[in-house]
Amino acid sequence: SQTIHQWPATLVQPVGSPLSLECTVEGTSNPNLYWYRQAAGRGLQLLFYSVGIGQISSEVPQNLSASRPQDRQFILSSKKLLLSDSGFYLCAWSSTSSSPLHFGNGTRLTVT
Amino acid sequence: GNSVTQMEGPVTLSEEAFLTINCTYTATGYPSLFWYVQYPGEGLQLLLKATKADDKGSNKGFEATYRKETTSFHLEKGSVQVSDSAVYFCALSANQAGTALIFGKGTTLSVSS
Repeated sequence: SQTIHQWPATLVQPVGSPLSLECTVEGTSNPNLYWYRQAAGRGLQLLFYSVGIGQISSEVPQNLSASRPQDRQFILSSKKLLLSDSGFYLCAWSSTSSSPLHFGNGTRLTVT
Repeated sequence: GNSVTQMEGPVTLSEEAFLTINCTYTATGYPSLFWYVQYPGEGLQLLLKATKADDKGSNKGFEATYRKETTSFHLEKGSVQVSDSAVYFCALSANQAGTALIFGKGTTLSVSS
């Protein structure tokens, strides 16, 4: 069966520090991969999605970036965090663009 | 463009009450529709889905019917339990390559005993 792993579960980082969140999927090949952010009272915001290695689409221009170095690995990064980057970050995968998404357990990021 | 609108919460109910969470959508073509549930501190889980008009998705006592004529996908449950307390998200897939699910803002449900 397919599983998705996302870490760390919680993270507290100072303003201006770098960020790296990692997500891996097991049990499937060539999945679509997604990063969402959930800020308080704002629902889910799609940040990035990828349909293949090295293919990244950005939905929201900001100081975050994403990379897909391997088929089942998706990384969310920042060189310098802002206070506004605080939130709950969710990684997800799907088989196709129209298939249901399967979410990881999320990372709670607090920028202080 | 495609969008999802769901009723704002929080929705507060007593145990065994009837639940309706409204969801309407705007889309071109023939989207698929989903309801996701998020329990406190966790990621989202697929609750149910419907892929074409008049389909009814159901799971764990929850139901939603894909109504093309009213562009709606309202979530219902006949008798809620305390364990149903969570945030519920309505979502739409445009069924086009290279696109991602579009989510509503979520509705918080709180059920008391």
